[in-house]
Amino acid sequence: DAGITQSPRYKITETGRQVTLMCHQTWSHSYMFWYRQDLGHGLRLIYYSAAADITDKGEVPDGYVVSRSKTENFPLTLESATRSQTSVYFCASSEGRTERGGEQYFGPGTRLTVT
Amino acid sequence: GNSVTQMEGPVTLSEEAFLTINCTYTATGYPSLFWYVQYPGEGLQLLLKATKADDKGSNKGFEATYRKETTSFHLEKGSVQVSDSAVYFCALSDKGANAGKSTFGDGTTLTVKP
Repeated sequence: DAGITQSPRYKITETGRQVTLMCHQTWSHSYMFWYRQDLGHGLRLIYYSAAADITDKGEVPDGYVVSRSKTENFPLTLESATRSQTSVYFCASSEGRTERGGEQYFGPGTRLTVT
Repeated sequence: GNSVTQMEGPVTLSEEAFLTINCTYTATGYPSLFWYVQYPGEGLQLLLKATKADDKGSNKGFEATYRKETTSFHLEKGSVQVSDSAVYFCALSDKGANAGKSTFGDGTTLTVKP
């Protein structure tokens, strides 16, 4: 099915482990985003990408790494997970510099627990 | 920079009550404005949008009007249902070459009781 998917949907990992969250979209949208959502903090932008091989930091990038070798994929890696990174992570995409560029399409989220 | 301020929640209403969730923004130029809804356990989905002053966005009985003079985009619904219980986010995005990134409000949790 077309759309934006995230995997895994749920993940439990231990402090210090590396973990990668996957995001895939089928629309060929130029922009992709990673957010985290914690109680009391709304959505916070971690990283975003305007196109393949172009990434930029958001509001809370520390402890995270992203890459975008293909337009449709935007993986997020926690290099050494900490308990403070326990959160729900959302991937989103948008068309970018078009009339509809401002609309974002969100994946279903990944609930990550770091023990 | 751009910013969005939403009415603080949570908001609790009885079924069939009138809903208003306030949203004001700060932006350079004339951004596009959006309301997103997040149902429990799901990602955000676009509820409605408006791209220029005096535009009214509407969907599923919800409405919001782009008010340039008051820099506001308040969400309204005449008669809420239990199924409207969700978190609502106001957002804005620049247009043209700067479109792509959005600025989100903190979200307002709505609970509708039967």
